[in-house]
Amino acid sequence: AQSVAQPEDQVNVAEGNPLTVKCTYSVSGNPYLFWYVQYPNRGLQFLLKYITGDNLVKGSYGFEAEFNKSQTSFHLKKPSALVSDSALYFCAVRDSNSGYALNFGKGTSLLVTP
Amino acid sequence: GAGVSQTPSNKVTEKGKYVELRCDPISGHTALYWYRQSLGQGPEFLIYFQGTGAADDSGLPNDRFFAVRPEGSVSTLKIQRTERGDSAVYLCASSPQNGNIQYFGAGTRLSVL
Repeated sequence: AQSVAQPEDQVNVAEGNPLTVKCTYSVSGNPYLFWYVQYPNRGLQFLLKYITGDNLVKGSYGFEAEFNKSQTSFHLKKPSALVSDSALYFCAVRDSNSGYALNFGKGTSLLVTP
Repeated sequence: GAGVSQTPSNKVTEKGKYVELRCDPISGHTALYWYRQSLGQGPEFLIYFQGTGAADDSGLPNDRFFAVRPEGSVSTLKIQRTERGDSAVYLCASSPQNGNIQYFGAGTRLSVL
């Protein structure tokens, strides 16, 4: 079975400060990991993915994520937060052994204050 | 180019009624997925099509839910005898063959009164 945990319901950060949104996963095979962002009344927008290769993945809008196999984590990071980054962030995993369905975490609400 | 299109954007129905939700994927994408997102939760997988066939329908909650994709493009999610617990946002996504990134539509918000 595969699962994703996002331990924080909400993350608050001041504009200009670095941000981290946490994600841990559990799979039986190799993990395919994704981050999506959701703005109000809009669909999910793809940010970045890890399939294989370098553990540090760079994505859209200055976001990056670090794959840590020993800690089974894939935390989302950004060096300097913007107010416009405020949104709902979802981590998702697909198990290389079990099909194409994505298993999502429950989401983390990011609030960046001016 | 155009993204994934879902219609209607909102649907209000009464308990016991039948509803159809439509998804128009990105042109050329062979894979199509349906997810359901309840309030305060992440999306939950319902069904996956590769071409015209349902390759994985393990997420459909019961036999009131059914989906088709007769020509390998547009898909329709059908819900019979709707219940209040079916109220959610239904999301559709598509991806290229052998592609890993799923591109999502804006969703259909279903409210069952």
